[in-house]
Amino acid sequence: EPEVTQTPSHQVTQMGQEVILRCVPISNHLYFYWYRQILGQKVEFLVSFYNNEISEKSEIFDDQFSVERPDGSNFTLKIRSTKLEDSAMYFCASSELIPKGTFGSGTRLTVV
Amino acid sequence: EDQVTQSPEALRLQEGESSSLNCSYTVSGLRGLFWYRQDPGKGPEFLFTLYSAGEEKEKERLKATLTKKESFLHITAPKPEDSATYLCAVIRANQAGTALIFGKGTTLSVSS
Repeated sequence: EPEVTQTPSHQVTQMGQEVILRCVPISNHLYFYWYRQILGQKVEFLVSFYNNEISEKSEIFDDQFSVERPDGSNFTLKIRSTKLEDSAMYFCASSELIPKGTFGSGTRLTVV
Repeated sequence: EDQVTQSPEALRLQEGESSSLNCSYTVSGLRGLFWYRQDPGKGPEFLFTLYSAGEEKEKERLKATLTKKESFLHITAPKPEDSATYLCAVIRANQAGTALIFGKGTTLSVSS
């Protein structure tokens, strides 16, 4: 069964550093998403991406965050200057037309 | 404000003891309601999509139903392998309509 692949599975970074989280969505999917889950809290929507542009973003997705589809297979989330409160599990998802999302296993980001 | 509330937060069942999980929502125009299963350290795994009141979906021991204000996930004769956190999410019928709004989930433990 097709999977969404995320790398790395765990990343530790210093506060103020830039991080790039990487995702390989399912190949025939059209929509791509990033969600995050702070430990013990609900899964929160960050951004959706369709046809090479952002289609929707949440209040969390401020100027610190950016997304890119640098080639035909990868989808990345960049956090420019990490803060302690950015520590969370970050999930990438992709979908066809119905935005139900097939989720990856996540990247655990720890900011120290 | 759009909200998804799940109850109970945690549920302990004996193997074979049927029960129901509740998801109540307030959203400005419901486009769809989704149920997911999440195992520890993993991303949400899609179970069902419901679109209109009265709709029902079934998969093995799980059955999801939808009314105008809430959804239920019925678990019939659960087994230990059904232990997980069950998440409910909705999508609004706004212009973009791509963001899943999640509840906090119900953590189910089934003992043998």
